[in-house]
Amino acid sequence: AQKVTQAQTEISVVEKEDVTLDCVYETRDTTYYLFWYKQPPSGELVFLIRRNSFDEQNEISGRYSWNFQKSTSSFNFTITASQVVDSAVYFCALSEATIQGAQKLVFGQGTRLTINP
Amino acid sequence: DAGITQSPRHKVTETGTPVTLRCHQTENHRYMYWYRQDPGHGLRLIHYSYGVKDTDKGEVSDGYSVSRSKTEDFLLTLESATSSQTSVYFCATRETGLYGYTFGSGTRLTVV
Repeated sequence: AQKVTQAQTEISVVEKEDVTLDCVYETRDTTYYLFWYKQPPSGELVFLIRRNSFDEQNEISGRYSWNFQKSTSSFNFTITASQVVDSAVYFCALSEATIQGAQKLVFGQGTRLTINP
Repeated sequence: DAGITQSPRHKVTETGTPVTLRCHQTENHRYMYWYRQDPGHGLRLIHYSYGVKDTDKGEVSDGYSVSRSKTEDFLLTLESATSSQTSVYFCATRETGLYGYTFGSGTRLTVV
């Protein structure tokens, strides 16, 4: 079965430090999607990125960057020059195909990131 | 996201009582999902729907049932609530062929 592992339960850094959140996944599908979501203290889920399994290009969006490596089944997320507003729980997720085409999302356990001023 | 409304947003109920959570969408998306979020577990899938009256179980479906009588509404029912069902429940939708998911704001359910 599909599985997503976020081994880092909690990370705490000082503002302006760079921080990397790890995500390792297992899947038997040849085509799949990987996601990162942010959950700030207010509780809603904020979509950050979606990556197709055929696209291994790294992506950068402002201070955020993602490193996708199929060879190691990893999809890591780096925040450069972290800010207090980055404090949140971050979830990595993997799509899992169903026979009905529903594409369930399988989530990792989440990493609680605290940025201290 | 204004496209999905979950109700109620908060609920406290007693053990053994039935509870129904509602997810309403205005996006006309085919697929709908119910997840629960618990510390240390992330979000886990309870049930999902792939069309009107078409549903299937997720990984933590015991003690829950769902119904979808029309495209826009997906109901999650706890027939007899237990303390282990205290959680935050999220609804999500997705359109056919697309891989973007829209999540509701969540319902915090406490069973005492």
